[in-house]
Amino acid sequence: GESVGLHLPTLSVQEGDNSIINCAYSNSASDYFIWYKQESGKGPQFIIDIRSNMDKRQGQRVTVLLNKTVKHLSLQIAATQPGDSAVYFCAENPNTGNQFYFGTGTSLTVIP
Amino acid sequence: NAGVMQNPRHLVRRRGQEARLRCSPVKGHSHVYWYRQLPEEGLKFMVYLQKENIIDESGMPKERFSAEFPKEGPSILRIQQVVRGDSAAYFCASSPSAGNQPQHFGDGTRLSIL
Repeated sequence: GESVGLHLPTLSVQEGDNSIINCAYSNSASDYFIWYKQESGKGPQFIIDIRSNMDKRQGQRVTVLLNKTVKHLSLQIAATQPGDSAVYFCAENPNTGNQFYFGTGTSLTVIP
Repeated sequence: NAGVMQNPRHLVRRRGQEARLRCSPVKGHSHVYWYRQLPEEGLKFMVYLQKENIIDESGMPKERFSAEFPKEGPSILRIQQVVRGDSAAYFCASSPSAGNQPQHFGDGTRLSIL
């Protein structure tokens, strides 16, 4: 399944399928990006980060892709599990300070 | 190692009262950030503090809101004369230093204004 983040804030996938969550960021000067996972009633949990000198970074079952030309970030989750159900936020650091700018978020629901 | 600890987890106040939200960063972290989240929205930056200093408060409302991070003890976000619009989840994050690195979040304080 695939989402366009801001325009389709919910995504439902079957357990075992791959998920793709997209994010359009706003500041071309941003040089550091993080994907966070937020479960209900909890704070954001770090998943993976990427710096602007890279276009791809892989973690355990997750991959982040960065396209600076179109200011687009995506999170791919392989073999999605029920425990992956959460809201996913991309966050950018525009290098003007230490604050992060968060996207609206995409709610991922995994169907067993 | 304990993560970022926030308390209380839930806080109910009546309009006009004061709300105090506390945040203990990860041990060894000297940089603290406060964010606010409305339902079904992303987090909005409020303020960035280092020990005893406010570094960036560009996201903080000019009135009624203040923050501190004293030499000893937790960081405090204080909201005076609360109004209904202050109802939100307030999250604190910390990092060991400045620069491009992950901020580690607590589980937030849910503030409800009656």
